[in-house]
Amino acid sequence: AQSVTQPDARVTVSEGASLQLRCKYSYSGTPYLFWYVQYPRQGLQLLLKYYSGDPVVQGVNGFEAEFSKSNSSFHLRKASVHWSDSAVYFCVLSERSNYNVLYFGSGTKLTVEP
Amino acid sequence: GPKVLQIPSHQIIDMGQMVTLNCDPVSNHLYFYWYKQILGQQMEFLVNFYNGKVMEKSKLFKDQFSVERPDGSYFTLKIQPTALEDSAVYFCASSLRQGFQDTQYFGPGTRLLVL
Repeated sequence: AQSVTQPDARVTVSEGASLQLRCKYSYSGTPYLFWYVQYPRQGLQLLLKYYSGDPVVQGVNGFEAEFSKSNSSFHLRKASVHWSDSAVYFCVLSERSNYNVLYFGSGTKLTVEP
Repeated sequence: GPKVLQIPSHQIIDMGQMVTLNCDPVSNHLYFYWYKQILGQQMEFLVNFYNGKVMEKSKLFKDQFSVERPDGSYFTLKIQPTALEDSAVYFCASSLRQGFQDTQYFGPGTRLLVL
């Protein structure tokens, strides 16, 4: 069975600091992986996704994520956060055999302090 | 970017009553989805829908649940009758096509409380 674990329910960083949000997955094959972000009172928005090839994928607003098959991880990074990055971030997985069903992590609430 | 709207944003209802959750998907999208998130838990897939039919559903999609999109209007999730365990946030999503390259766009969710 597939699952996604985001071990940090809440992360607080200072504006301008670097960021890493952790994501571990459990899946027997190589999954499709996504990061979505939800700003207050808005729908989830896609930040980036991984299919194959270069394990580091670039997303919007300076975000990137690195896929590691050996560690079963897909951590999200940003070099310098802005207060507007405060939101809830979801790591998401889908199977290559059925990419329409998404499996979500529990989310990490990021607070960026001025 | 493209937006999915959900109406209402909050709904409180007595157990046993019927509730309809409405989703206004992205205008040219053809595939529609519902997800359920119980407080403190992960969001979980309920159902996807295309061309007037349920394509796939999870074990969470109980017999009391139904979905439809009559005449290209709202994509709806109906629960009849409701139960206490139906209290959750329900997220609607839509996509133009199926496939990895096609992003699912999500609404902000409807918070349903069953008393």
